[in-house]
Amino acid sequence: NAGVTQTPKFQVLKTGQSMTLQCAQDMNHEYMSWYRQDPGMGLRLIHYSVGAGITDQGEVPNGYNVSRSTTEDFPLRLLSAAPSQTSVYFCASSRTGINIQYFGAGTRLSVL
Amino acid sequence: DAKTTQPTSMDCAEGRAANLPCNHSTISGNEYVYWYRQIHSQGPQYIIHGLKNNETNEMASLIITEDRKSSTLILPHATLRDTAVYYCIVRVNTNAGKSTFGDGTTLTVKP
Repeated sequence: NAGVTQTPKFQVLKTGQSMTLQCAQDMNHEYMSWYRQDPGMGLRLIHYSVGAGITDQGEVPNGYNVSRSTTEDFPLRLLSAAPSQTSVYFCASSRTGINIQYFGAGTRLSVL
Repeated sequence: DAKTTQPTSMDCAEGRAANLPCNHSTISGNEYVYWYRQIHSQGPQYIIHGLKNNETNEMASLIITEDRKSSTLILPHATLRDTAVYYCIVRVNTNAGKSTFGDGTTLTVKP
């Protein structure tokens, strides 16, 4: 039982490049979320999903796309990377009716 | 989610109890108090939650005031490994995926 797995752990991009951050969970959780955490700051919600095929925006959705084709996977796409997107990205999952989130280890992204 | 207020930072001596306060004066009747912590560079970790009764588990105790407008997370015997940022979140017990994390309290446990 791996929990929530994020790949890659580290990534360096050039401005304008696109990429996808992967998130997978093996707990059959309905809810999944993406957060970003800038240095010395708390977590800010980017996008979340309440189930396969259903996604919604969080506090800071601009510049990011998500889709949820399966229960297990919730990839985050950066369309055209900008230096302002340099951050640590965390994925989380939780079960319906239980507000306990399980987090991945994070992806550290630098945009030059 | 109801707004929460936590001190920016706190210190605690190793082996002593760490008491982390959280103010949530606008909490609604169906909102729970959740605590998470984030050890440096790691993903946040769930600690404990409660509605109105005090709760205890193997990690910590949660004391919620009778009017539910504030709560205290207690780490009974703090160790150096408890140094972390602690987040207090108040929300209904559904759709955890939409949780809002504030800036939390940085707890430093000192030898």
